[in-house]
Amino acid sequence: GESVGLHLPTLSVQEGDNSIINCAYSNSASDYFIWYKQESGKGPQFIIDIRSNMDKRQGQRVTVLLNKTVKHLSLQIAATQPGDSAVYFCAEMGASQGGSEKLVFGKGTKLTVNP
Amino acid sequence: KAGVTQTPRYLIKTRGQQVTLSCSPISGHRSVSWYQQTPGQGLQFLFEYFSETQRNKGNFPGRFSGRQFSNSRSEMNVSTLELGDSALYLCASSRGPRSGNTIYFGEGSWLTVV
Repeated sequence: GESVGLHLPTLSVQEGDNSIINCAYSNSASDYFIWYKQESGKGPQFIIDIRSNMDKRQGQRVTVLLNKTVKHLSLQIAATQPGDSAVYFCAEMGASQGGSEKLVFGKGTKLTVNP
Repeated sequence: KAGVTQTPRYLIKTRGQQVTLSCSPISGHRSVSWYQQTPGQGLQFLFEYFSETQRNKGNFPGRFSGRQFSNSRSEMNVSTLELGDSALYLCASSRGPRSGNTIYFGEGSWLTVV
């Protein structure tokens, strides 16, 4: 049958505003979470990560929040810039997995920053 | 420090052919994983290697295979190509496994099957 593309959630913000990108993960046993940024034609670029024993972690202009109770992850970008325009993916890694580092990715959110 | 390097970056193959993609991890990284990215299915795990051993395998047919060499470089092969194999194939590396270190991705190999 015909292939249907993933419907990516989209977020459009004005330059200088703060952005919040949300992600619901599936495995309650996941113990490591990563946010990646993917620009058109490029591979995913690491932004920030967080382990399940934390609920908040901050980087440069970015903050990740983890709510294990509702299996929710969010990425906050402060003072969003045009260069932040990209697709953002959350990824989860299950606990143990026999040592495997297999990542399960979310569908992604397309962020557009308007000048 | 060089990042994850994937070759070739772009290639076009005909249905029924086979293809080999190469990945050189970041220096010092011993764990390599492969992912397939398509508009329809998003990013999906293919397989993972550490010390030349496959640690995990995703839900892909046996036409998809891979290996890792003693220098941690990795290759993946897809035989009897189908139109649906057209995708961006991404390689990722880490010091691994589960060492708490970051997983970095390469720029990918764009495969088009015609």
